[in-house]
Parts: sequence; structure tokens; C-alpha cells
Amino acid sequence: DAGVIQSPRHEVTEMGQEVTLRCKPISGHDYLFWYRQTMMRGLELLIYFNNNVPIDDSGMPEDRFSAKMPNASFSTLKIQPSEPRDSAVYFCASSLVLATISYNEQFFGPGTRLTVL
Amino acid sequence: AQKVTQAQTEISVVEKEDVTLDCVYETRDTTYYLFWYKQPPSGELVFLIRRNSFDEQNEISGRYSWNFQKSTSSFNFTITASQVVDSAVYFCALSELDNFNKFYFGSGTKLNVKP
Repeated sequence: DAGVIQSPRHEVTEMGQEVTLRCKPISGHDYLFWYRQTMMRGLELLIYFNNNVPIDDSGMPEDRFSAKMPNASFSTLKIQPSEPRDSAVYFCASSLVLATISYNEQFFGPGTRLTVL
Repeated sequence: AQKVTQAQTEISVVEKEDVTLDCVYETRDTTYYLFWYKQPPSGELVFLIRRNSFDEQNEISGRYSWNFQKSTSSFNFTITASQVVDSAVYFCALSELDNFNKFYFGSGTKLNVKP
């Protein structure tokens, strides 16, 4: 089975440009998460969706960041305008949480390494 | 206060040695979930194990074993007969029942296994 798919794997852009990161969750999973990983701050949860609806976006750093999930198989994280401090690895993860919460482990994609010059 | 503490920043061992990665967590919830993830040099995060707070049985999977001790709030991970392919950063994480989707990750332990 295919895991979480992210694109692009690497992105280099200049300050001020718009950046769009893409994610395809594991088929059938009902939760989708966006994380950011940096050396200074470790893994940070930015936002997560349940059945395509944003549930918690309290981790989104500022208004320059936005995320959408138009359907169950696709999500985007957009940064506009990008800044050098946004340079990080961005991970998408998905999970399938049963009513009994028997399984809530998150499965991560390979990540997108973003460099903003 | 940090909810998950991985005090060992980096560990180096020689192949075939056993190594234990420590994880101490903090929560007031009686129901919670503990996880270990592996991040090899290629960068992806690989799920290794999930444990419920009400299941204190230790688990063994091949060369990997996990020791869950509620009394000391620890969930330690042991690799027996380490191999070079075990070299990675290992993350411990906690989630709590009232917000089970929010994972609190530790800062990670980098394991170097030398041939």
C-alpha cells in the first residue's frame, strides 16, 4: 500500500515568493496533519484536519501560512510570502482513528525540505 | 515543562552492542498513548510502536524491545545487537486521551552505530 505522499521533496525559493506544499494521505485515513521540523524547535504540529475539516490550527505560525484540504485525498500547505525563517522540513502525516481510539498512530510522509533564500 | 524528555542527545555504540534509549514523560491524564518513531538519515519518520497507558506489558519485536514503567513514567527502547542500519534519530512521543491527535514529541536521541 502506498504511504503518505508529499511533493515536492525539495523546494528552493526566494524570499517573498509563494510556496505550495502538497500531500496525499493514506487512502481511508480520516485525519491529516502538517508538521514542521527545525533544529531549534524540533517537530511542531501546525494544523490538522478531520474528514477534510480543519480542527486545530493553533500551531500555524502566522497569517502567511494557510492550509486546505479540498477532498479526502489531497491537502496543501501554502506560505505567502515566504521568509528565510520558514526554511525547515515540512511533514504531512495521516491516521485512522477508530471510535475506541484503539489506533491513533500517525504515519508520516517523506517530508519536503524547504529552503527560502 | 516538557511533556516528553529524551535526556540523551546522542549515543555512539559499536555494532553488536546493546543500547537503551531513554524516554520520560509527564502527564496528569490516566489514559494516554506513547510512541516511538525512527528518523533515519534519509529523513522520513517511521512509526515503530504505540503503547496504551493501561497496557504495561513490555513488548519485543525482533531486536527491538520496549520497557513501559508507569511507576517511573518511562518508556525506554532497547536495541539488542545493534547494527549500522539502526543509526538514526529516535523520537519518543506522548498523546493524551482528551486530545489524542496532539502528539508531544521529545527532542530525539541520535544513535550512531559504528561498524
